[in-house]
Amino acid sequence: NAGVMQNPRHLVRRRGQEARLRCSPMKGHSHVYWYRQLPEEGLKFMVYLQKENIIDESGMPKERFSAEFPKEGPSILRIQQVVRGDSAAYFCASSLDEGTQYFGPGTRLTVL
Amino acid sequence: ELKVEQNPLFLSMQEGKNYTIYCNYSTTSDRLYWYRQDPGKSLESLFVLLSNGAVKQEGRLMASLDTKARLSTLHITAAVHDLSATYFCAVDSGGSNYKLTFGKGTLLTVNP
Repeated sequence: NAGVMQNPRHLVRRRGQEARLRCSPMKGHSHVYWYRQLPEEGLKFMVYLQKENIIDESGMPKERFSAEFPKEGPSILRIQQVVRGDSAAYFCASSLDEGTQYFGPGTRLTVL
Repeated sequence: ELKVEQNPLFLSMQEGKNYTIYCNYSTTSDRLYWYRQDPGKSLESLFVLLSNGAVKQEGRLMASLDTKARLSTLHITAAVHDLSATYFCAVDSGGSNYKLTFGKGTLLTVNP
């Protein structure tokens, strides 16, 4: 019974490049959430998606960040023109309904 | 804006001792979660507390919720080294059950 899968686990990008982070929810889960964790901080909500719909993106930076959850395939968090301040761990979570969220292993993004 | 405060942020304790981590939150909420995070790993769900007076126990950990005081506690009994981790509490942003607001976490180190 696979849990939430994220890839890559580690991602290094130079400033100005694009970062694509992928998340496959647990089997049967149709609700996906993205959170960002800065060093020595708690997680901060970014966006909540259901299949083909963005439900709440109130935690997303206004520029350079986007997220999608297509009908087929994983959810993608995309960061364009990365800057050093984007370096963080990005966690995806999924849930069956708006209940307990199960977290993936995270993608640790380093921007050089 | 919902705020979640944990204390202490750092806790070093001896094996066999008892201690309590506190989690205060600022506005009415429906659910409170406790998660554990090992270094470089994802978050593991420990407890979900749904109602005033709720108490849940798993092994050496016991969590309780007082919704009137907006306070949850995580009590550690007879600590062992394996409990060393960062513990987060998280609260629903009342009215939207999906947007979790996290505390900064308590880094627990249990020394032999």
